[in-house]
Order: sequence, then C-alpha cells, then structure tokens
Amino acid sequence: EVHLVESGGGQVKPGGSLRLSCVGSDFMFNKYNMNWMRQAPGRGLEWVATISTSGTDVYYGDSVKGRFSISRDNAKNSVYLQMDSLSAEDTAVYYCARVDYDVLIFAPDFWGQGTLVTVSP
Amino acid sequence: SHELTQPPSVSVSPGQTATITCSGNSFPRQYAYWYQQKPGQAPALVIYKDDERPSGIPERFSGSSAGTTATMTISGAQAEDEADYYCLSADNGGYRVVLGGGTRLTVL
Repeated sequence: EVHLVESGGGQVKPGGSLRLSCVGSDFMFNKYNMNWMRQAPGRGLEWVATISTSGTDVYYGDSVKGRFSISRDNAKNSVYLQMDSLSAEDTAVYYCARVDYDVLIFAPDFWGQGTLVTVSP
Repeated sequence: SHELTQPPSVSVSPGQTATITCSGNSFPRQYAYWYQQKPGQAPALVIYKDDERPSGIPERFSGSSAGTTATMTISGAQAEDEADYYCLSADNGGYRVVLGGGTRLTVL
C-alpha cells in the first residue's frame, strides 16, 4: 500500500518561513505527479501546489503563489514545500498527496496523514 | 469561496439513499473526484473519474456526472459512512485544482 509521511510542521511567527518534507514509499515515486493540499482548522480542503514527475513543471494555488515553492528529489522519494512570508491565514494541516496516474487533472488518489503548521506571534 | 458548489449538509436514516451533488463549470469537461474525511483523519478517495470506485470502497458508493453537476450516491447508507465529503475537479484549462466546500453527511 502507498505510504506518504509528512514532516517539518510546527509553530512559526508571522513573516517567517518553514520547509515541509514528504517521503513516499511502496510505489514508483518518480512516475507520479505530487500535490500539497491543506486544511485550515474547521475549514474545507484547499489545493496548494503540484509538481510534475521530473520537477520541471510546477503549479500553485492563488493564495500561495509567489510565497510557496514546491520541489522534489526523486532519488530520495521526497517532495518538499518551502513556505515563506507566512501569515495566520496559512495555519492549517498540510497534506502530501499522490496524484492519480495518467489523468489530465491533479486529483489526489492517496494522502499522507498531514503535518500541522501554526502561524502565530 | 469555492468554485464547486456542494450542499453544506445531508442527513439520512440508516439504509436510506444519500445523494450529494457538486455543481460547477468544470463539468462536464473535467472529471469529478470524491473524498471522504472522518474526524481527525486524512481524506480518502471514494470515487474517481466521475464514476469509478477504488478497490476496497463498498459497492454502495457510486458516482455520476451530467451537465454541470456531478453526483455521489450512497445506496443504503450506514452509520460508518457519516463523514465530510468533498468533490474535486479542475478548471477548464486543467492546470488548477478546484474543490467544493464539503458536505457533512449525518446518518441517524
């Protein structure tokens, strides 16, 4: 079964930075696009970013464009999310998710358990 | 605001059919995906590509899409199906994910 394990969450002050990591296992990591998704406390799901299999193509949600950066290292079966200029509105559980194979939309088929990011003074 | 519209809540009695709709301009051009999220857990895929069911998902879960509305149906809902359900698709360009606001299903 597919496994995705996130790490790197924690508390950070407004304006600060944080880097999340996600390690995938039990599937061919380099064959799949990967997503970051998030969910603010008591709120719905939000798409954050997508990266292509090679890392060449990246896409971002409007609320994080210009502040967040997604990257990957296929040799380490890992995907990362660099988050800069954080604000309280970025407080959420961040999920790493594998994108369904061979479809033209970035829809997750498996999700990690998430890592909590809290932005507060 | 969300680009896909779902009812905030649906309530059924055990054994009844629960229907959750998802409306938006993504359809019919783009596929609909549906996720189940129970309290304190990560979302789990229950329907993909409009009407396909992943392995391990009970047959009572089904999906369809017509016009600008995608629908997920639980035929004979059970107490264990009580959860939040989210629909997901893409904008017509395909490079931006769009989501519904979620529907809380109550089975009692």
